[in-house]
Amino acid sequence: NAGVTQTPKFQVLKTGQSMTLQCAQDMNHEYMSWYRQDPGMGLRLIHYSVGAGITDQGEVPNGYNVSRSTTEDFPLRLLSAAPSQTSVYFCASSYSSGTYNEQFFGPGTRLTVL
Amino acid sequence: AQTVTQSQPEMSVQEAETVTLSCTYDTSESDYYLFWYKQPPSRQMILVIRQEAYKQQNATENRFSVNFQKAAKSFSLKISDSQLGDAAMYFCAYRSGRASELSFGAGTTVTVRA
Repeated sequence: NAGVTQTPKFQVLKTGQSMTLQCAQDMNHEYMSWYRQDPGMGLRLIHYSVGAGITDQGEVPNGYNVSRSTTEDFPLRLLSAAPSQTSVYFCASSYSSGTYNEQFFGPGTRLTVL
Repeated sequence: AQTVTQSQPEMSVQEAETVTLSCTYDTSESDYYLFWYKQPPSRQMILVIRQEAYKQQNATENRFSVNFQKAAKSFSLKISDSQLGDAAMYFCAYRSGRASELSFGAGTTVTVRA
C-alpha cells in the first residue's frame, strides 16, 4: 500500500505557466481533496471530489481546475500560475461513509511561482 | 467553512513537562468530529487524536489527551511527558458529520526544550 502519493515534491514556475500536480491513492477511497497550506492560515480546501466524475469547489478554488476520471487519481491544474499560488499543496483521501472517515494525506508539493 | 481558531501561534515546553494547546470552533451542528494533526518538519500530516461530538468521554492516545467542552465549543490538546520528537506544528480540525471536508485552524508551533 503506497497510500497517497503526490508528484512532484518541489516545483518552481514562472508567472503565467501552467502545470498539473498529480495525486494518486491506492486505498479505493471515494473522497479526495486538495488543500493549500500558507503560513499563519492552516490548510484551506481548494477542491474536492466524492467519487469519479464528481467534483466541487472548496474555500479557495480560483485559479485551479480539477477532474476525477478514475477513483485513484485526482490531479490539480494551475491554468496560469500567479505568485499568490506559491504555497504547499496537500492531497488527501478518505472513505465517504463511516464514523471517522480519517483523511490520509500525501507528502505535499512545495510550489514556488516567480 | 466552519471557523476553527487556535489562539496560540507558538508554545514552548521543557522536556518531560506538560503543554496544553487550545482550540475553539464555531458550529451550529450537533453531529461533528474534531481532530488534532501533527506536522513535523518532514511536512507529513499525522493524525494524533480524534473526538466524536456525541461522545462525552475525552479521547486519549498514550501521552496525548483532549479536553472536549461541547457547550463552550472548545477542544484543547494536552501533551504529557513531552519528548523532543513532539516538536512540530499542531493543527486542530473540524469535520461536519454530513461531509468529509476538514476545516483547519492556523496551527500552533510546539518547541520542546532539552
